Amino acid sequence: SAVISQKPSRDICQRGTSLTIQCQVDSQVTMMFWYRQQPGQSLTLIATANQGSEATYESGFVIDKFPISRPNLTFSTLTVSNMSPEDSSIYLCSVEEVTANTGELFFGEGSRLTVL
Amino acid sequence: QKEVEQNSGPLSVPEGAIASLNCTYSDRGSQSFFWYRQYSGKSPELIMFIYSNGDKEDGRFTAQLNKASQYVSLLIRDSQPSDSATYLCAVRMDSSYKLIFGSGTRLLVRP
Repeated sequence: SAVISQKPSRDICQRGTSLTIQCQVDSQVTMMFWYRQQPGQSLTLIATANQGSEATYESGFVIDKFPISRPNLTFSTLTVSNMSPEDSSIYLCSVEEVTANTGELFFGEGSRLTVL
Repeated sequence: QKEVEQNSGPLSVPEGAIASLNCTYSDRGSQSFFWYRQYSGKSPELIMFIYSNGDKEDGRFTAQLNKASQYVSLLIRDSQPSDSATYLCAVRMDSSYKLIFGSGTRLLVRP
């Protein structure tokens, strides 16, 4: 199984600022996924990050608000721009299991953001 | 209609009982089904996956899939207090790489 490291694990941010979350995987993966989990809610897919191409965003999420980088096959960043209190969430990086081809996703420990 | 629906709970069962968690999905083309467990403050971890109609057993856990009824369930036998968590149902639709999650069911196992 893939080992995924995210940082920061948590942060408290001021309204109007931006924060970049980093995700490092211990193996090369084609696709990396960014999810958001708002308080008491389930996981919502923000975007899929592919190496060498622009990220694919889900309905309701835009690149200006959540720019994503994917410089190589083991690393990605998600930036939450111009934050408001509504952006207070846990942001999770995930990758798909490829060795056994089960289709399951592995998740990082998440980055808990609180916007004041 | 939500793509993946779960009862939010909480579902409360006594220790040693069978906990039954249910999930329905809207897309008939869905092919892969996953159950994740999420402890408070932690990230989700996979419990089981199932692709074919019928039952799949792994230890105390049994996943059941009925594609005709668009229904997938998770049974936990001999429930333990350590099973207390939120259980997330996730579905991958045919020809899609995306995993769609339900809202989760909170399970409480009473000692």
